[in-house]
Amino acid sequence: DIQMTQSPSSVSASVGDRVTITCRASQSIGSWLAWYQQNPGKAPKLLIYAVSSLQGGVPSRFSGSGSGTDFTLTISSLQPEDFATYYCQQANSFPLTFGGGTKVEIK
Amino acid sequence: QVRLQESGPGLVKPSGTLSLTCAVSGGSISSSISWWSWIRQPPGKGLEWIGEIYHSGSTNYNPSLKSRVTISVDKSKSQFSLKLSSVTAADTAVYYCARKTRITVAGTPVSSAFDIWGQGTMVTVSS
Repeated sequence: DIQMTQSPSSVSASVGDRVTITCRASQSIGSWLAWYQQNPGKAPKLLIYAVSSLQGGVPSRFSGSGSGTDFTLTISSLQPEDFATYYCQQANSFPLTFGGGTKVEIK
Repeated sequence: QVRLQESGPGLVKPSGTLSLTCAVSGGSISSSISWWSWIRQPPGKGLEWIGEIYHSGSTNYNPSLKSRVTISVDKSKSQFSLKLSSVTAADTAVYYCARKTRITVAGTPVSSAFDIWGQGTMVTVSS
């Protein structure tokens, strides 16, 4: 299985801050990486697919980058509605696997 | 737009079989670029992919659950289903159905992602 390791597991930030979340795959996954946002009690929501492509309707303050095994999700200016948990996910090989999650909390 | 809705018992006895159905509306379950998945999330924990099915009936399962999982599709009813046998308390989770869409460039698959999710249904395993 491909292990997906996210860091940090949690981050405290203020509105307007730039936040970066890292995801590392245990082996190269090419462009087969997506990012999701999950609010408490809600289903995950797709933010970014294919490493850096923004899903329709997702604000442009979200961006993704990376290649091979190392990937990042950046929120350029944190908004109140962005306080949530974020997951990366690889689709390069079965079983499909998710990172452990990064909780973005209010400082 | 496509919507997914899970249904099924919220309580299952230990050693029993968990059975859930996901109804697909607003789009075709027979889309050539869509796979239909089940994903679960134990309380306070992360996401675990269970498996997926194509409209043809082709399946892929997580090896950690493969011996206990069956995913099936009923195109006439536009729905797909999950059966998980021999459940224990460790199977207590929110179960989501989701659509996985394949992304292509010039006809070549380059990625995929879960772009549509159901709201999730909590299943508790307890006597």
